[in-house]
Amino acid sequence: AQKVTQAQTEISVVEKEDVTLDCVYETRDTTYYLFWYKQPPSGELVFLIRRNSFDEQNEISGRYSWNFQKSTSSFNFTITASQVVDSAVYFCALSEGAYTGFQKLVFGTGTRLLVSP
Amino acid sequence: GAVVSQHPSRVICKSGTSVKIECRSLDFQATTMFWYRQFPKQSLMLMATSNEGSKATYEQGVEKDKFLINHASLTLSTLTVTSAHPEDSSFYICSAFRGLDEKLFFGSGTQLSVL
Repeated sequence: AQKVTQAQTEISVVEKEDVTLDCVYETRDTTYYLFWYKQPPSGELVFLIRRNSFDEQNEISGRYSWNFQKSTSSFNFTITASQVVDSAVYFCALSEGAYTGFQKLVFGTGTRLLVSP
Repeated sequence: GAVVSQHPSRVICKSGTSVKIECRSLDFQATTMFWYRQFPKQSLMLMATSNEGSKATYEQGVEKDKFLINHASLTLSTLTVTSAHPEDSSFYICSAFRGLDEKLFFGSGTQLSVL
């Protein structure tokens, strides 16, 4: 069975601090995708990244970076120099199997990030 | 701009009435769409997979007669909450898969409040 765990329920930081959101996953498949989504107060889910199970390279996109480690089944997300606009709920998600087209996502419980001025 | 449109964004209804929520892919065809439910401050739970031209596949514990899904065209899936009750109050979100670049897009969600 697949499962995504985001142990941090809520994190509060002050602007310009770096913050890391943890994500640990469980799956029996060797082929899977991992995702991060941002959900601002408006409710819409904003896609941040998708990483397949065969690509362990870390990725950086502006202030965002992701650390994928299969050995620990983790896919952590770091925001550098956080800003107030980063305040949102962040979800980590997992999709198994090439056959399904990676469409069916299982979400973690989310981490609420509060960035204060 | 948004590539998946979901309407309405908010609906308030009386107990016992039915509510229809629409999910449209705006510039691509989606043979498969997904419906999620989110309780306040909780995660998104997959309710069902909507397949164009065939019956939806429901997750365990989701009542198919309560949550009717119709995927009548390649750009539209609807979720109808039948005989809604206060416990059905929740945030419902749809998603659609764009095969061209293998991206999954989400609608903006519908906040359902049943009085």
